[in-house]
Amino acid sequence: GAVVSQHPSWVICKSGTSVKIECRSLDFQATTMFWYRQFPKQSLMLMATSNEGSKATYEQGVEKDKFLINHASLTLSTLTVTSAHPEDSSFYICSAPPGGETQYFGPGTRLLVL
Amino acid sequence: GNSVTQMEGPVTLSEEAFLTINCTYTATGYPSLFWYVQYPGEGLQLLLKATKADDKGSNKGFEATYRKETTSFHLEKGSVQVSDSAVYFCALSDRGGDYKLSFGAGTTVTVRA
Repeated sequence: GAVVSQHPSWVICKSGTSVKIECRSLDFQATTMFWYRQFPKQSLMLMATSNEGSKATYEQGVEKDKFLINHASLTLSTLTVTSAHPEDSSFYICSAPPGGETQYFGPGTRLLVL
Repeated sequence: GNSVTQMEGPVTLSEEAFLTINCTYTATGYPSLFWYVQYPGEGLQLLLKATKADDKGSNKGFEATYRKETTSFHLEKGSVQVSDSAVYFCALSDRGGDYKLSFGAGTTVTVRA
C-alpha cells in the first residue's frame, strides 16, 4: 500500500515558538494532502486541504495565519504552527490519496507546547 | 451535509467474542464508505472500504456491507483477538472531487485475554 510519513513523530517546544511538521508521500505523488488534528480520545478534525502549487483551503474556524501550510512539491506538505501555545498541543495527522478517493495516513506528530 | 454516526464505546470483549460496531451515515450524494483503525500512539490505517451499494469490504477477518437502504456500514468480526484492541473509525467520502473524509467519533475496543 501507499506510504505516508511524518516528521517529527513528536516534538516539545516552548510557548511562543514555531514548529514545522512535514508530511511526505514516499511512493506516490500527491497533488492534495490533508491535515487533521486529533484531541485525546476524540475523532479527527479536518484542518485544511493542502494543494500543490496553490494556497491551502482551510476549514471553518481554523486560523490560516496560525497554521501555515506549504505544499511545495508533489511529495511534501508542511504544517507550521506559529507562535505555539499550550492549547495547540495535540496530535497532528496528515493524509494523502495516491489516486482516487482512498486516503493513506501518516503516523502522526504529537506536539506538546510548554 | 455529510455526517457519520458511530456506536459509542468503549467496548470491552473477551478473546474470540463476536464484535459489531454500528455505523450509519447521512450524505447528499452517493458516498464511498471506509473503516479505519488506529492502534495506540499511531496514525490511522485503512481497514476496509466499499464503494457501492451491497459491496462487502473485508480484511483481517473484519467485514462490513454497504447498505444503502438503511444507510449503514456496520463493522463485524466473528472472533476477536487481543491484537484487535484499537480505536475504529467509520468514515465516508462524498466523491465530490475533493476526497474529503467525514469521520465518526471513533469506537475504542479493548479485547481481554
